Amino acid sequence: GAVVSQHPSWVICKSGTSVKIECRSLDFQATTMFWYRQFPKQSLMLMATSNEGSKATYEQGVEKDKFLINHASLTLSTLTVTSAHPEDSSFYICSARVHRAIQTYEQYFGPGTRLTVT
Amino acid sequence: SQKIEQNSEALNIQEGKTATLTCNYTNYSPAYLQWYRQDPGRGPVFLLLIRENEKEKRKERLKVTFDTTLKQSLFHITASQPADSATYLCALDPGDSSYKLIFGSGTRLLVRP
Repeated sequence: GAVVSQHPSWVICKSGTSVKIECRSLDFQATTMFWYRQFPKQSLMLMATSNEGSKATYEQGVEKDKFLINHASLTLSTLTVTSAHPEDSSFYICSARVHRAIQTYEQYFGPGTRLTVT
Repeated sequence: SQKIEQNSEALNIQEGKTATLTCNYTNYSPAYLQWYRQDPGRGPVFLLLIRENEKEKRKERLKVTFDTTLKQSLFHITASQPADSATYLCALDPGDSSYKLIFGSGTRLLVRP
């Protein structure tokens, strides 16, 4: 159980175009989903927290107009990288949270999406 | 400043030995700490969660300890196997009601056959 999928697994796009990445919780409902970015040999950096039916909360330094997040249902969140540039090339990972008990949760991650902007 | 640190150097051990990975943090008061495994080009996989009032947690060949005085968690893999080779990440919830996970940069484990 607790499977999170991402699509696509990799994408190559030209500079200036937009790319949409989907994140789905397959066998559970996630009220909260997270989007991370990871550069090679570095830690996961949280970009934004997404709650179903409300606006995403972005971390400091993350441009909300560039990284559009939509959490339309309890099982789907999307990240759209708008007007992508080569510096946006990275590994994007989504995550969904499952609450197990009061103030205790587990977080399950998708397999990641490798974005390359040429 | 707040930091969560893991040994950046790879840990290279012989199959069958116990691997011990360290996670240290400063200026956090986490309610619990989690450990994940990440394989190259893949998302992290949840392994274990340990709460601040728990000294030790076990799951099969895995054991995690949590010392809030030392601000340290140790992650052990006993009877290690080549298939255990991966990067292991520790992550903590800062305990500030933000419910965000903050990740260390991970330690790569290599188990030689």
